[in-house]
Amino acid sequence: KAGVTQTPRYLIKTRGQQVTLSCSPISGHRSVSWYQQTPGQGLQFLFEYFSETQRNKGNFPGRFSGRQFSNSRSEMNVSTLELGDSALYLCASSLEVGVETQYFGPGTRLLVL
Amino acid sequence: AQKVTQAQTEISVVEKEDVTLDCVYETRDTTYYLFWYKQPPSGELVFLIRRNSFDEQNEISGRYSWNFQKSTSSFNFTITASQVVDSAVYFCALSEWLPGSGGSYIPTFGRGTSLIVHP
Repeated sequence: KAGVTQTPRYLIKTRGQQVTLSCSPISGHRSVSWYQQTPGQGLQFLFEYFSETQRNKGNFPGRFSGRQFSNSRSEMNVSTLELGDSALYLCASSLEVGVETQYFGPGTRLLVL
Repeated sequence: AQKVTQAQTEISVVEKEDVTLDCVYETRDTTYYLFWYKQPPSGELVFLIRRNSFDEQNEISGRYSWNFQKSTSSFNFTITASQVVDSAVYFCALSEWLPGSGGSYIPTFGRGTSLIVHP
């Protein structure tokens, strides 16, 4: 079974731009979560989607948004990029919500200049 | 206070040494879950183990073993006879229930312990 895939793997943007990251979960997995990893803050939960609905959101500003499609694929969007948004963005999928073991993708490394 | 504390920022050992990675957590919930993940240089987090709060049985999987003690709120991870391929950052995580719009268990990660195994 193919693992979680994320595209693109690397991205360079400038301040003020917006970016969309994509995540395809493992086949059959219906829950997708997003995390931001930075050297300063570590791994932080962004949001979780299940059946196209956002079930939980972490403590991030409204510039961070996401959605999930009917095939469980998910996208996250960051508008008006700031330097501090430079990070590794990880997507994880699980069969169901929450406590189910999450399987992570390789991440998208975003650099904001 | 941090919910998950991994006090060891970096550990350096020589191959074949045993090494224990510490994890201390804090929660008021009676039902919660604990995880360990490995993050090699490639960046992808690899799931190692999940433990629920009602199961304090220690677990061994090959060279890996985990010691869960609710009395001290600790969930420590030991690698026996370490190998160079074990070099990675290891994360401990605590999943607690968050109501949200539907409710689910959301993990909080520790800051990670970087393990370097020298040949």
